[in-house]
Amino acid sequence: QKEVEQDPGPLSVPEGAIVSLNCTYSNSAFQYFMWYRQYSRKGPELLMYTYSSGNKEDGRFTAQVDKSSKYISLFIRDSQPSDSATYLCAPKAAGNKLTFGGGTRVLVKP
Amino acid sequence: GAGVSQSPSNKVTEKGKDVELRCDPISGHTALYWYRQSLGQGLEFLIYFQGNSAPDKSGLPSDRFSAERTGGSVSTLTIQRTQQEDSAVYLCASSSQGAHGANVLTFGAGSRLTVL
Repeated sequence: QKEVEQDPGPLSVPEGAIVSLNCTYSNSAFQYFMWYRQYSRKGPELLMYTYSSGNKEDGRFTAQVDKSSKYISLFIRDSQPSDSATYLCAPKAAGNKLTFGGGTRVLVKP
Repeated sequence: GAGVSQSPSNKVTEKGKDVELRCDPISGHTALYWYRQSLGQGLEFLIYFQGNSAPDKSGLPSDRFSAERTGGSVSTLTIQRTQQEDSAVYLCASSSQGAHGANVLTFGAGSRLTVL
């Protein structure tokens, strides 16, 4: 079993819809929870991160962490075609390296 | 430079040849990471540098893989006697932090390696 699991998708939604992405993980030592976005043939770029459990909002993006169930979510409101990309969750324990999920490919259709 | 620079962007080689991939991190970033991304897969950690030393090289898949970093800046990933399963995108990232804290990574665009 992988340490971090993501549904590979693709997840196809119409423009303006809410995109819901999630990850599950097994390592209870993870404390930081990152979301990276990767466009085709580009390197990943950090979208946002949260520390421990709770919610964090940044514009159209909301990240949620539930450490009790080891479940991480990312929501994208009012999705745009430019949001079409692969979204990678990457939790991390203190003093350790990032562990990436396999990524979920998202397609937002105009 | 403003970002992480990697070269070459594309490399096609024959099985059994050696290849070198270069990473030029953001100036002043002390931490440097190499990851590998195979087609449709997530990122696989290879090695982490803090300054010129590599406290974590646990992800290197075999002794054909090695990496060095000089002057706390440029890093080179070398793959000897390449195999077809080495075909992947090799991503470099740098950070101003070490492994502690949130450790936000800035990635380069990657070097796409194809072994024929």
